[in-house]
Amino acid sequence: GNSVTQMEGPVTLSEEAFLTINCTYTATGYPSLFWYVQYPGEGLQLLLKATKADDKGSNKGFEATYRKETTSFHLEKGSVQVSDSAVYFCALSRSSGSARQLTFGSGTQLTVLP
Amino acid sequence: SAVISQKPSRDICQRGTSLTIQCQVDSQVTMMFWYRQQPGQSLTLIATANQGSEATYESGFVIDKFPISRPNLTFSTLTVSNMSPEDSSIYLCSFTGSGTQYFGPGTRLLVL
Repeated sequence: GNSVTQMEGPVTLSEEAFLTINCTYTATGYPSLFWYVQYPGEGLQLLLKATKADDKGSNKGFEATYRKETTSFHLEKGSVQVSDSAVYFCALSRSSGSARQLTFGSGTQLTVLP
Repeated sequence: SAVISQKPSRDICQRGTSLTIQCQVDSQVTMMFWYRQQPGQSLTLIATANQGSEATYESGFVIDKFPISRPNLTFSTLTVSNMSPEDSSIYLCSFTGSGTQYFGPGTRLLVL
């Protein structure tokens, strides 16, 4: 079945540090891949997505590239800010080309210190 | 993009009681989903709700415990029945639009 494995947290960084949160997946077919973010006390928000191999999703300085050969979708940001402190979830869709019935990773708590 | 809201935003309930969570979308959507996020954990899909048919439940979730209604294309409810402290979680509804799944703000439930 489909599964998502995320780098375990918590991750603590200083402001302006480089961020990588690893995400690998197991899936049949060609799923779409997503990163969601959950800020303290808030609901889940879509951060970025990629729907096919070699696609790069980007938003708010965050990037992730859909790597089919390594079944990975690592999240990166060149210079984190205190406001990036949140829980980040990697997810994949069960249906190719759609966002139906997402399978989520365990989440990675990021804390950025000033 | 469509706006999705949930009521209540949070509640504290006694063991053995039931709570119904409402989810409203401001446009018509075909499929709605209900997820549970237990403390410190990731999201787990409870069920998929289509208008006019019974919800489809994931392994480990049953209709008697989590009855779902979907009376029209903009609204759904999830009931958490006969609650126990293990049901303390955030419950989120979501829908799919433009190849992306959008989530409501969640209902934080604490069962004492």
